[in-house]
Amino acid sequence: DAKTTQPTSMDCAEGRAANLPCNHSTISGNEYVYWYRQIHSQGPQYIIHGLKNNETNEMASLIITEDRKSSTLILPHATLRDTAVYYCCASGYSSASKIIFGSGTRLSIRP
Amino acid sequence: GAVVSQHPSRVICKSGTSVKIECRSLDFQATTMFWYRQFPKQSLMLMATSNEGSKATYEQGVEKDKFLINHASLTLSTLTVTSAHPEDSSFYICSAQVGSYEQYFGPGTRLTVT
Repeated sequence: DAKTTQPTSMDCAEGRAANLPCNHSTISGNEYVYWYRQIHSQGPQYIIHGLKNNETNEMASLIITEDRKSSTLILPHATLRDTAVYYCCASGYSSASKIIFGSGTRLSIRP
Repeated sequence: GAVVSQHPSRVICKSGTSVKIECRSLDFQATTMFWYRQFPKQSLMLMATSNEGSKATYEQGVEKDKFLINHASLTLSTLTVTSAHPEDSSFYICSAQVGSYEQYFGPGTRLTVT
């Protein structure tokens, strides 16, 4: 499982786009990039995942570099409820593929 | 989306006793379930991978005799912390995987051992 590196903390103004970077330079060809977030004292919540193409859903967009060594999660219009720890993980796409969590980025949204 | 529940949400037990935590997938059958532990201000640490009807696979450093995992059906996995000690106090989180798709996480169980 590839190791991921994220900034320890970030902050963003409410209503602005929050861009959370992640480095995964050792990612292998069959590993996907997953993003989860964890609000205090709750279980992680799935946000988005991708292999090499950029992805978008109702929560966020995922931009993966062409060499797949890094990615950026974009929350287009951050709200106070987006305050959480965001985890970027690399994992295979098969039954029993483990997700190994790194240290994550603590995102604070300021009013 | 898929819902995973855990029971209990909080438990306090005395040192030396055993505690069982249940993880259920409510509206889907999970091919695989995972158990994590999270200490305050730390990330989630994978403890074990569990498949229905077979023995769990434990991560390095996790004592299989202390953390007993039973995966009796496609919707239920249990984690039993045996002979609990204060250092086992932690936030225990399970997740369930549907086929080859993303994992859905439970809300967690906070265990306090006194």
